[in-house]
Amino acid sequence: NAGVMQNPRHLVRRRGQEARLRCSPMKGHSHVYWYRQLPEEGLKFMVYLQKENIIDESGMPKERFSAEFPKEGPSILRIQQVVRGDSAAYFCASSVVGGGTDTQYFGPGTRLTVL
Amino acid sequence: AQKITQTQPGMFVQEKEAVTLDCTYDTSDPSYGLFWYKQPSSGEMIFLIYQGSYDQQNATEGRYSLNFQKARKSANLVISASQLGDSAMYFCAMREGTSGTYKYIFGTGTRLKVLA
Repeated sequence: NAGVMQNPRHLVRRRGQEARLRCSPMKGHSHVYWYRQLPEEGLKFMVYLQKENIIDESGMPKERFSAEFPKEGPSILRIQQVVRGDSAAYFCASSVVGGGTDTQYFGPGTRLTVL
Repeated sequence: AQKITQTQPGMFVQEKEAVTLDCTYDTSDPSYGLFWYKQPSSGEMIFLIYQGSYDQQNATEGRYSLNFQKARKSANLVISASQLGDSAMYFCAMREGTSGTYKYIFGTGTRLKVLA
């Protein structure tokens, strides 16, 4: 059973470009979370999605950031017009709701560097 | 107020010794979950152990155990017989809310270094 997959693992963008981060949840998991981790800091919640539905986006910056989890395909976190402050590790986690502990399992992360 | 507090930014432990990593939490929900994750230098987040607020017994997973003291709102991680491979960042996390609308909050982490 494959774990949570994220790609790319490393992404370099110049200021003003767009960054697209992909997350494929574990098989059977229908809920996806995105987190951001700045160097030497903990994880900060960004958004919580179900297929075709955003459940909680209270941690997402109001501008430039968006997320989706379509019926088919991976979840996408999109950052438009990136700035240096967007440089961070972005983690995706998935869970199955109602499956006992509802534990989140994390992907390996995408390290975004904005030049 | 911090929802999850990890007061030890860094810890050292001798190989084969036991170590306790502290975590306190704050919630008014009667139902919640507590998690510990390990983040080695390679960067991935590895799930270690889970404790539910209604669980009567402390959770254990191999060399990991969770010292759950509900009245004190603490959920300390105990690693027995430390190994060099245990050197990593450790994050405590709390899940609040109801199934389908959960919120997860992470602490700032404790960096553990195991000494040979």
